[in-house]
Amino acid sequence: GAGVSQSPSNKVTEKGKDVELRCDPISGHTALYWYRQSLGQGLEFLIYFQGNSAPDKSGLPSDRFSAERTGGSVSTLTIQRTQQEDSAVYLCASSFSLGQGDNEQFFGPGTRLTVL
Amino acid sequence: GDSVTQMEGPVTLSEEAFLTINCTYTATGYPSLFWYVQYPGEGLQLLLKATKADDKGSNKGFEATYRKETTSFHLEKGSVQVSDSAVYFCALSDLASGTYKYIFGTGTRLKVLA
Repeated sequence: GAGVSQSPSNKVTEKGKDVELRCDPISGHTALYWYRQSLGQGLEFLIYFQGNSAPDKSGLPSDRFSAERTGGSVSTLTIQRTQQEDSAVYLCASSFSLGQGDNEQFFGPGTRLTVL
Repeated sequence: GDSVTQMEGPVTLSEEAFLTINCTYTATGYPSLFWYVQYPGEGLQLLLKATKADDKGSNKGFEATYRKETTSFHLEKGSVQVSDSAVYFCALSDLASGTYKYIFGTGTRLKVLA
């Protein structure tokens, strides 16, 4: 079956522009997560969705970052007024609903964002 | 809060050498523990996992045992291959604390020489 997909795979943008990153989770997975992987910071949690609601947004680094999920499936991470420190690989993961299993998460290939 | 401490890399070994990558954790509840691997140019893949104390996860010759008394989940392999060269991440998920996110270690880069 299809895994987690993300688009675009690479994005180069200019400082100050807005970007949208997309994640398509595994069918049937109700939980969805965004992480950021950057040099010097490792893998950081950004936000978690259960269905369409986001009970944990604690990892979003600033109010320039937002995310939404519609229909309990596709999610979009939006970064407004991008800064150079936003350059990183943005990873999406999905898992079955909590209470089912051990919360094993399945990761997408990531979107590499470069802010010039 | 919850945290994962992983040994610093890079680790460079000769083929067929024994591998240990240390991982210790702090958690408020009883977390599930995971090792993920990231091969060059690829995404994160689950290597193995353990959900309760004394569980042993194993896959592809790698093993890790969930040690509650030492709060550790060290990754071991008896004989590494060049193809094992990758970055290895230890992670926990502490559902009992209501934190469904993964907490990752900093990653350990392994390089295996032929």
